[in-house]
Amino acid sequence: DTAVSQTPKYLVTQMGNDKSIKCEQNLGHDTMYWYKQDSKKFLKIMFSYNNKELIINETVPNRFSPKSPDKAHLNLHINSLELGDSAVYFCASSLTTGIFAEAFFGQGTRLTVV
Amino acid sequence: AQKITQTQPGMFVQEKEAVTLDCTYDTSDQSYGLFWYKQPSSGEMIFLIYQGSYDEQNATEGRYSLNFQKARKSANLVISASQLGDSAMYFCAMREGPGTGGFKTIFGAGTRLFVKA
Repeated sequence: DTAVSQTPKYLVTQMGNDKSIKCEQNLGHDTMYWYKQDSKKFLKIMFSYNNKELIINETVPNRFSPKSPDKAHLNLHINSLELGDSAVYFCASSLTTGIFAEAFFGQGTRLTVV
Repeated sequence: AQKITQTQPGMFVQEKEAVTLDCTYDTSDQSYGLFWYKQPSSGEMIFLIYQGSYDEQNATEGRYSLNFQKARKSANLVISASQLGDSAMYFCAMREGPGTGGFKTIFGAGTRLFVKA
């Protein structure tokens, strides 16, 4: 059983399009995240949701809109895609109450904007 | 300011030897967690080991150990008896909170490890 699963794994699209990435976790965690990994492999947190509520928004453009229908799902919708959005996007989850709780990651979605 | 610093962009190690990957961190919190993740070329992020700020003993998990020096704010990863499959990118991370933004895990820039046969 996959703990954190993202779909799709690869996404190639043209500039200006709108796309979504889906994420689901079956770990019973109540906190989920989106991270962006750029071409230099730097991982930066974008959003964090706790029990469907947005708690972290790290100065991400408004074109990015996360949506959490329930605590097991956190989707990422991106409007008007730009070349600079090309990156690997990771979904992750962890226990809210644990400062020592590790984040479990999905396999990543490689987004290429052409 | 960088909260997690990994000063070694790339490292080489001979198979079967030990290697230390450096990590320093910056926080004013008393409670925090330190983690290491491995990212092989296939791209997934694999959790390796963690150390709590109050833990007095260094964490160990199989061939991985975390050399935690709290006063120096360092959390180096030691991999013993390197294997070819250890060739990957390694990320040091720190989890702190809760602040107004809740708990979050932030990552260093990573160290790429190459294991030579």
